[in-house]
Amino acid sequence: LAKTTQPPSMEAYEGQEVNVSCSHTNIATSEYIYWYRQVPHQGPQFIIQGYKDYVVNEVASLFISADRKLSTLSLPWVSLRDAAVYYCIVTDMGSFNKLTFGAGTRLAVCP
Amino acid sequence: GGIITQTPKFLIGQEGQKLTLKCQQNFNHDTMYWYRQDSGKGLRLIYYSITENDLQKGDLSEGYDASREKKSSFSLTVTSAQKNEMAVFLCASGTGGRTGQLYFGEGSKLTVL
Repeated sequence: LAKTTQPPSMEAYEGQEVNVSCSHTNIATSEYIYWYRQVPHQGPQFIIQGYKDYVVNEVASLFISADRKLSTLSLPWVSLRDAAVYYCIVTDMGSFNKLTFGAGTRLAVCP
Repeated sequence: GGIITQTPKFLIGQEGQKLTLKCQQNFNHDTMYWYRQDSGKGLRLIYYSITENDLQKGDLSEGYDASREKKSSFSLTVTSAQKNEMAVFLCASGTGGRTGQLYFGEGSKLTVL
């Protein structure tokens, strides 16, 4: 399974666009990229998943580099409610049930 | 929409005590999971179950037992509570890799005196 590397923390002001990067240099062709976030006192919540190129939903967009070694989660117009830990996970469908969450990126949002 | 309900939200026990956490889901998901989260850290998988009466060990199963007697419920037992395992225990359910989505409960915080 590919290992991921994320910055441990980030800071942004309300209204800014935030880009959270995730490096997965050993990603296999069978593996997908998943992003979750966890606000205090709650369990993680799924945000978005992708395999290649660009994926967008109502919450965020996900850009995946052409070689699939880097992905970037983009959050437009962050608010205080977006302050959370963001987890990038890479796995294939066969290993999905053994999903583990690393330390993630802690995003602080300032008013 | 569905919900994951974990009980109790807070559990206090004595060292060496056997303690049980319960989880119910009404999503009708086949797969359920138990994770442990230490303060400020990520989540580590303890057990998962792909169907009723199935149990699969995760990376952290030693010291824990699990039970899946019904599709909708999944219990986790700490067989002998230790002070170094004070943590939040999170239950989740999902449909596996098909959708990539896990749905989590709010967690149960374990304190060992």
